[in-house]
Order: sequence, then structure tokens, then C-alpha cells
Amino acid sequence: EILMTQSPLSLAVTPGESASISCRSSQSLLHNTGYNYLDWYLQKPGHSPQLLISLGSKRASGVPDRFSGSGSGTDFTLKISRVEAEDVGVYYCLQVLQAPWTFGQGTKLEIK
Amino acid sequence: QVQLQESGPGLVKPSQTLSLTCSVSGASISDGSYYWSWIRQRPGKGLEWIGIIYYSGLTHYNPSLKSRLTISVDTSKNQFSLKLTSVTAADSAVYYCGRDHLGPWGQGTLVSVSS
Repeated sequence: EILMTQSPLSLAVTPGESASISCRSSQSLLHNTGYNYLDWYLQKPGHSPQLLISLGSKRASGVPDRFSGSGSGTDFTLKISRVEAEDVGVYYCLQVLQAPWTFGQGTKLEIK
Repeated sequence: QVQLQESGPGLVKPSQTLSLTCSVSGASISDGSYYWSWIRQRPGKGLEWIGIIYYSGLTHYNPSLKSRLTISVDTSKNQFSLKLTSVTAADSAVYYCGRDHLGPWGQGTLVSVSS
């Protein structure tokens, strides 16, 4: 089973500033297709998870370009530029390279 | 627009079987483009992957649940289902169904295990 480790587990950001969340996997998520099988999700309070980024860096439809994913292999980063109040919630990384798919512990983002 | 909706009992007694169904609209399970997924979230905790099923019936399960878990598909009804046997309080959670790893996800259904 691939272990996913996120950091930090919580962060508070002033609106307009940027935020970064790290996700590390215990094995490389780089598939032989050249894609990293790593997704980023946001779960807003009281809501279902929503996909932000797939395949490491591909923004999902409707996701603002303030959100960007980067990294390869075992180290990945989600960056949120110009944080807004609507960005609060818990962010999860998810590896889908091999079953069982595994989530990171989650990072709670709050607004200062 | 693809939509998923979970349904099933909100209360299950310990040692009994938890059964949930996910109804899919706006997409056909049988077109073979995606796996169909179940995840859960225990109160105040993170997301946990339960398992996935393909339209053919091919499944992949979380090893921690495998001995108690069955995921099945009914392409004629465009639905897929989850059965978890011998439940305990640790199985109390919000259960979500979704399309593959990409979503969307249903609104979730809270299942409590209590006598």
C-alpha cells in the first residue's frame, strides 16, 4: 500500500496571499505513460469532495487558475495563489497509481 | 451533467450488514469509460477509499475491508452497490459514491451503527 503524507496539517492564510501544501508518497507515482497518478481534492465544510487537480497538474473543469499542481515521482505540491475566503476547507491528495488508492491525511486551510 | 445519489438505511445494528446503492444519471456505467467508486469519512476524520468496480464486475477493494466487503453493479438500472457485513461502530461514517477518481461524488449518506 502506498502511504501518502501531507504537510502541513493545517494553515491559516491572509486573503490575497498564497498557500502551498506538500504531499509525499512512499513510492513513485510516475506511470510509464509519463503522467503522475496524483489528484488533489478540496472538501469544503459540509460538502462532498471536489476535484481540483488530476494527474499531478491538470486542473479540473471550472477550477480557477489560482490553483496549480506540480511535482513528480514522490513529491508534489498544491499551490493556491491569491487565497480567497471560498478556499477554506480540507485539501487532500490521492494516489490512484495502484489499488488500494490512498488519501493523504488532509490539510485544513483557514482564513486569518 | 453526471450526478450520483447514494441511498440506503441511515441506521444499522452492530453485526448486521450495511447496504447502500448508488444511482447514476447523466452517464452510463456500461459504456466502460470509468470505474465507479466508494469512499467514506468517519466523523471528524479524513477520507478513506473503500473500493471500485468496473461495468464488467471487476473490483478492487481496500484490504482492510476486503473480508467484509462486496461491491456489485447493475448496468440495467445504472446503479452500483456496496455491502459491508459484520459492521461495528467503527463503520459509522458518511459514505460517498463517485465516478472513478475524478468525480463527481454524491452528496453522501450518513450511516450510523448502533443498537
